[in-house]
Formats: sequence, structure tokens, C-alpha cells
Amino acid sequence: EIVLTQSPATMAASPGEKVTLTCRASSSVSYVYWYQQKSGTSPKFWIYDTSKLASGVPKRFSGSGSGTSYSLTISSMDTEDTATYYCQQGRSYPPTFGSGTKLEIK
Amino acid sequence: EVQLVESGGGLVQPGRSLKLSCLASGFIFTNYGMNWMRQAPGKGLEWVASISSSNSYIYYADTVKGRFTISRDNAKNTLDLQMTSLRSEDTALYYCARQNYSGMDYWGQGVLVSVSS
Repeated sequence: EIVLTQSPATMAASPGEKVTLTCRASSSVSYVYWYQQKSGTSPKFWIYDTSKLASGVPKRFSGSGSGTSYSLTISSMDTEDTATYYCQQGRSYPPTFGSGTKLEIK
Repeated sequence: EVQLVESGGGLVQPGRSLKLSCLASGFIFTNYGMNWMRQAPGKGLEWVASISSSNSYIYYADTVKGRFTISRDNAKNTLDLQMTSLRSEDTALYYCARQNYSGMDYWGQGVLVSVSS
């Protein structure tokens, strides 16, 4: 089973600040997906194939990485970005998720 | 509009059974694999089971293998999860999610399963 480790577990950013969330895999994966989950709601498909934005995702979001190291970047933090972000690998069964990064606004 | 609506949750005693259902609409159900996911209170996301579009491939997480059964009825656009021998650690919000080749692109609102005596 591929283990995904996300860091940091929690962070706070000021409006307009650049934010980078990290996801590291225990073995090389071809790509990762990212999901955004706001409090009390279902996860939303956010980034796929490592760097492609899902429909409706603001362009201030981007994804990058390869092998065992991946990241989600917000170029300019907005209050609506407050959420928990999960990375997921689907290269092999079982599909696994990171434990999430909770992102808050300062 | 894609919609996934789960039902069937509730409070159940340890060792008992429960069946969850997910009604899909707004897309061609037979074209997509489907998943059950869960999220324990205050915890992260956990994949539970997957089924391919034609029922040819079925996979389970080790934590539920032998106790849970995923199935689908393509004529009724429904996805089911039969859960037996339930344990306290199965307490969670259960989501059905559509499997796109690029990930799980639509999720239901979730249904709560509480296992307690």
C-alpha cells in the first residue's frame, strides 16, 4: 500500500499570501489528485493528473510534482480557500489518501 | 447535473448489518466505475470499495474485506453497500463517488453510520 504524507497538518495564511501544500508518497506514483473539503460538506474534485484544474477551480490554484513529491500551490490566498485539502494516489489498489492539510485564513 | 444521493444509514449495534444505497442521476451510469468512501468523525478520507462499470472488477479495502459487499444495478442507476458484522470502527460518514479515469469527480452528500450498543 502506498502511504501519502501531507505537510503541514495545519497552517494559516494571510489574504494574498502564497501557499504551498506538500504530499509525499512512500513509493513513486505517476500522478496525484487533490480534493478540497470545506467544513460540513463533501469533498470536491479539485486537481487531477497532478496539475490539471477541475472545472470551476480558480486559476490561482496549481499543482505540480513527480515521483514521490507533489504539491498544491495557491498563488494568492483568498478567504474562500479555507478548507482541508487531501491528496490521493490512484496508481495502484488500494487508492490511498493523505491525512489532509487544514488551511485557515489569518 | 450529476447527482449522487446516499441513503440507508443509521444507528446499529455491533455485529449487526446495514445496507447503504446510492441513487445516481444526471449521467450515463453504465459508463462509470463507482466507489464507496468513508470518513470517521474528525478524521480523513478512507476508500472502502470500488466496482467497475460492468461489474467485472470489484475491490475492497482490507479493513472491510469479507464483511462488506459492493454491488450495482445498472438498470436502476443504483450502487449498494451491504455491510455485515459491523464494528465500532466502522462508524463514519459514507460517501458514494463516481470514478472518472482521472479521479473521483463527483461525491454524494454522505450518509452517517453509527455502530454502538
